Order: sequence, then structure tokens, then C-alpha cells
Amino acid sequence: KQEVTQIPAALSVPEGENLVLNCSFTDSAIYNLQWFRQDPGKGLTSLLLIQSSQREQTSGRLNASLDKSSGRSTLYIAASQPGDSATYLCAVLSGYSTLTFGKGTMLLVSP
Amino acid sequence: SAVISQKPSRDICQRGTSLTIQCQVDSQVTMMFWYRQQPGQSLTLIATANQGSEATYESGFVIDKFPISRPNLTFSTLTVSNMSPEDSSIYLCSVEDGTGGVYGYTFGSGTRLTVV
Repeated sequence: KQEVTQIPAALSVPEGENLVLNCSFTDSAIYNLQWFRQDPGKGLTSLLLIQSSQREQTSGRLNASLDKSSGRSTLYIAASQPGDSATYLCAVLSGYSTLTFGKGTMLLVSP
Repeated sequence: SAVISQKPSRDICQRGTSLTIQCQVDSQVTMMFWYRQQPGQSLTLIATANQGSEATYESGFVIDKFPISRPNLTFSTLTVSNMSPEDSSIYLCSVEDGTGGVYGYTFGSGTRLTVV
């Protein structure tokens, strides 16, 4: 059974810092990995999707990497802003449409 | 990517009553997924809804408690029946979405349910 772990559970940084969120998964037989953002009490917004054959994806200030063999992904956020404050969820797709989520990293960026 | 309209966005309900949550997608999709997110927890899949067939429920979830309808390829409803405070959660629908062989998942905006 696939298990996804996200570290740290919570992170507080001052505005402007670069930061890294970590995601690990137990079964490396994945199709893809997706990073989401969730604002309090809201739905999920997709940030980046990395296919199993890819090593990284970039969108603006966000960069996600994938090391499938070691079961790890990182989400790098450059020059953080207060508007980046949210919970970031990592999800891996393995098996037939089976999406497994981590518990998320709650990020607070203070002005 | 697909756009999902989910409603209601939030509700406060009395125990013992039922609430129906709706999701409308702006394109035809084969499968729609319903998730529950309990306070402080991650997302747990409730069921997968295919048009024209019974929904497939995950372990721990039953049709009597969470009946699902899927009348066409763009719409689905999830009902939370005979609610108790333990049902207080965020409920989300999702679809598989993508082009050119690259598929990810798109989620609705969520329904925040509080049972009192």
C-alpha cells in the first residue's frame, strides 16, 4: 500500500526566503506526482504535475523535482510571499487511478 | 484544464439530516471521484463514480451513508445521509484531466460541512 509522507508538517518563514518542502513515498511504481495548494477550508489547486519519466517541472517561482528511485520529491518556492501562505499537498498516482495524498505542509509566510 | 463547479461551498446541518453536494464539470469526463478531508487530515477517497453504473466505494464507505448519482458525463452528486458530528469535513469532487497523454487531477472548490 502506497504511503506518502510530507515534511515538515508546518513551516513559518519571513517574506523573501527560499524554501523547500519535502515529500516521500514508499512505492516507487508511480505514474506521476502532483503538488497541490489548499487554502483554509477550500478545495485544491494544482501547482505542478511531474510524470514518472521526468525529473522536474517549473512554473514561475515554483520548481518541483522527482527522484522516483529513492521515492522523493521536493517543492522549491523562491522568494516567498505572504500570498504563498497555504497548505501544500503532495499526491502520487499509482495503480488504476489511485491517488494517494500526504498530510500536507502548512506554510506561513510573514511580511 | 477542466473547470469544476461545486456547491454548496459550505453548510451547517442538524444531526440526522442529509445534505446533497453537487459537482458540475465543463467537459465530459469518464470518472468522477469524491473525497473527504476530516479536520487536520489529508484527503481520503470515498468512491469513484462512472456514468451509467454503480459507484465503486472504498473500504469504510457504504452506499447507504454516501449515495452517489452520476446521471451524465458532466455531473455528479454525493449525499451525506443521516449526518452526525463525525461527518463534519470538507468534501471534494475531482476529475482526471489532461491532454497529450499527460494526466493529472482537478478538484472542485470543496464543501465545508459542519454537523451540529
